[in-house]
Amino acid sequence: QVQLQESGPGLVKPSETLSLTCAVFGYSFTSGSFWGWIRQPPGKGLEWVGTISHDGATFYNPTLKSRVTISLDTSKNHFSLRLTSVTAADTAMYYCAMDTSSMTRNDWWGQGTLVTVSS
Amino acid sequence: QSALTQPASVSGSPGQSITISCTGTSNDVGGYNFVSWYQQRPGKAPRLIIYDVSTRPSRVSDRFSGSKSGNTASLTISGLQAEDEADYYCTSYTTSSPCVFGGGTRLTVL
Repeated sequence: QVQLQESGPGLVKPSETLSLTCAVFGYSFTSGSFWGWIRQPPGKGLEWVGTISHDGATFYNPTLKSRVTISLDTSKNHFSLRLTSVTAADTAMYYCAMDTSSMTRNDWWGQGTLVTVSS
Repeated sequence: QSALTQPASVSGSPGQSITISCTGTSNDVGGYNFVSWYQQRPGKAPRLIIYDVSTRPSRVSDRFSGSKSGNTASLTISGLQAEDEADYYCTSYTTSSPCVFGGGTRLTVL
């Protein structure tokens, strides 16, 4: 049973960098697995942010690509999201998710963490 | 990247069947068999219910089914139950990225 748990600051100031971590329990970064971030502004729909493969290849939403970095830390069994130059439009629930074999779906999700961008 | 098009809302009575559409282009839905569907209940994380157009994870009820014709994918829920009331999102692989979401559909069980 895979469990994912997001953590990070709930409040970030405009123009600063949003940093979140997703701790992974019950699974390792094995060959074929994919790890991603999805966000959801309050009262709105889901938006894919980006995905990283087990071997570190990254894929980002074209609209966010210039500001996003996703990385793996296999020694700590977690992966991370960095989003630079944030604005109020980046206020959202951020979910980490993964799939054991495909980048085209996410079979396991964290419970989400709300990040508010405000001064 | 443009979001896939879903109806904002659908409704049905218990026991009935409903279908939610997800319309894209030949660059996403029409070009690949990598359409997924997620159910999101209020205050909860999304849950994968269909992947690769019509494959259902073992833990998901067989009342959920998926299909595709041209640039439009569909999710059908048969034998509607009160617990099915939720938001439903489609996603697709695209020529420019692994994932684009639909705008979401609110299902109301009357």
